[in-house]
Amino acid sequence: GDSVTQMEGPVTLSEEAFLTINCTYTATGYPSLFWYVQYPGEGLQLLLKATKADDKGSNKGFEATYRKETTSFHLEKGSVQVSDSAVYFCALSDPRQGAQKLVFGQGTRLTINP
Amino acid sequence: DAGVIQSPRHEVTEMGQEVTLRCKLISGHNSLFWYRQTMMRGLELLIYFNNNVPIDDSGMPEDRFSAKMPNASFSTLKIQPSEPRDSAVYFCASSPTDYSPLHFGNGTRLTVT
Repeated sequence: GDSVTQMEGPVTLSEEAFLTINCTYTATGYPSLFWYVQYPGEGLQLLLKATKADDKGSNKGFEATYRKETTSFHLEKGSVQVSDSAVYFCALSDPRQGAQKLVFGQGTRLTINP
Repeated sequence: DAGVIQSPRHEVTEMGQEVTLRCKLISGHNSLFWYRQTMMRGLELLIYFNNNVPIDDSGMPEDRFSAKMPNASFSTLKIQPSEPRDSAVYFCASSPTDYSPLHFGNGTRLTVT
């Protein structure tokens, strides 16, 4: 079945550092790809998405590009802030099975130190 | 817009007891999802509804789990009898259409002793 693999955390960086969180996927169809963020004590929030190959999703300084050739959707940010500390989830959905039936990666905990 | 509201935020119960988790959807949303989050298994989709009708319950662990939508704005997830391995954070999420992003509640942390 479809699956998502994320780089294992935790990831600890200093403020203003460059961030990359790797995500690769396995899918039989042409999935949509998402990054969700979970702040402490809260539910998941959609951070960005891409629905077809070569699309770039972006929000709040974060970016991710849908790479079909490498089946990847890596999350990047040029200069992280303490407020970016959270758990980040990569996810996919196969429109053939219902666009919202999300398959999540295991999550990557990010801590940003001042 | 108050968002998706889940109650209780925390539930501690003894093995064998019945547990009921509650979720209020955002007004106008017609899709409802229940997820379970654990350290070992991450986020798992348990069941989802569209227009109050269960569409896919293949993620429900076993017959001890049941979910209902008595009306368009409210859902319950019941575990009877509860077991220690049910301890997890349970999230409810809703969406206005088939192709819109999910809006998650803040979750219910369940501890079964």
